[in-house]
Amino acid sequence: GAVVSQHPSRVICKSGTSVKIECRSLDFQATTMFWYRQFPKQSLMLMATSNEGSKATYEQGVEKDKFLINHASLTLSTLTVTSAHPEDSSFYICSSGTGSQPQHFGDGTRLSIL
Amino acid sequence: EDKVVQSPLSLVVHEGDTVTLNCSYEVTNFRSLLWYKQEKKAPTFLFMLTSSGIEKKSGRLSSILDKKELSSILNITATQTGDSAIYLCAVDTGGYQKVTFGTGTKLQVIP
Repeated sequence: GAVVSQHPSRVICKSGTSVKIECRSLDFQATTMFWYRQFPKQSLMLMATSNEGSKATYEQGVEKDKFLINHASLTLSTLTVTSAHPEDSSFYICSSGTGSQPQHFGDGTRLSIL
Repeated sequence: EDKVVQSPLSLVVHEGDTVTLNCSYEVTNFRSLLWYKQEKKAPTFLFMLTSSGIEKKSGRLSSILDKKELSSILNITATQTGDSAIYLCAVDTGGYQKVTFGTGTKLQVIP
């Protein structure tokens, strides 16, 4: 069964809307979660590392004020795309893992901004 | 900057063919190399490789790591249409399992 749950799976909304995506670890405590973005026909690009109880670490070129990350508990990280525009339309995926085990991915969120 | 490169970018084969997908990497700190299969949603884990020369096998899929050549291959024998997907290679460079993904190889298996 899934070990990382991501919701919602699909969002369609108007330009200017803020969208929140949740990522939950189901049977383990995740001090760290990762947020990726994937454009069509491209690979996964790491956006940020979400750290429980502290600030997220953003990759170069990712606007932290645009993509707000909150990791308030050991099982939940959220990514909020603020004032989304059509160019933010993408597939967003979270992942997490424990110790030496490989990362498990959520099912992803397909975001479409009209 | 850490880099993971996969080849070919795309591949079309007939059912029953054997395919070999390549992954090479240049990273500052290597912990493991991972292979994932991505269909319509998020990637599903296939293999994690940490030691050179030891083949990992799962059914018709197998993979091996060559740390001297900084590369890995993923083999799929007797391909089926259900193998059609994007295959992603990623390198775990440590630091809470932060991984760098390759560009992916899009495999299409036609009947």
